[in-house]
Amino acid sequence: NAGVMQNPRHLVRRRGQEARLRCSPMKGHSHVYWYRQLPEEGLKFMVYLQKENIIDESGMPKERFSAEFPKEGPSILRIQQVVRGDSAAYFCASSPGTGGRGTEAFFGQGTRLTVV
Amino acid sequence: AQSVAQPEDQVNVAEGNPLTVKCTYSVSGNPYLFWYVQYPNRGLQFLLKYITGDNLVKGSYGFEAEFNKSQTSFHLKKPSALVSDSALYFCAVRDMRSNDYKLSFGAGTTVTVRA
Repeated sequence: NAGVMQNPRHLVRRRGQEARLRCSPMKGHSHVYWYRQLPEEGLKFMVYLQKENIIDESGMPKERFSAEFPKEGPSILRIQQVVRGDSAAYFCASSPGTGGRGTEAFFGQGTRLTVV
Repeated sequence: AQSVAQPEDQVNVAEGNPLTVKCTYSVSGNPYLFWYVQYPNRGLQFLLKYITGDNLVKGSYGFEAEFNKSQTSFHLKKPSALVSDSALYFCAVRDMRSNDYKLSFGAGTTVTVRA
């Protein structure tokens, strides 16, 4: 059973370009979460999605950032017109739809975005 | 609101000595508590969790953690540390009462185990 798969592992973008980060959850998992890790900081929640629905996007900047989890295919975190401050590691996690809020989330290896 | 504090940025121990990584939490209701470990350039790996029941929780790689409600703590422990335990450790909390699933993480504690 493959774990949470994220790609690319490393992404370099020039200021003003778009960044697309992909996440395939573990098999059987229907909940996806995106977190951002800035240097010297812990992980900060960005968005929580279920298939075709955004459940909670309270941690995501209102502008330039969007996320989706379509019926088919991976979850996508999209950052438009990137700026240097977007440079960070972006982690995706997934959990099954059952088990409630005591269920642990499983994390991917992250995408390290560098904006130059 | 929910939050976690890891008061130590770094913990250094000699191999074979006990290892403790501290964590305190704040939630409105009762907590679900988790420990994750991150090795360099890797994702987070789940170590253990406290949901309910026995306050002493055993997890992967010989780690355990003790839930202390009166002190709102969930310290991670290992009786005899290994060099391979050197990594970044994160404590996380989720409020049992809230309707959402997001985890709140501490800033992390870097553990260095010297040979």
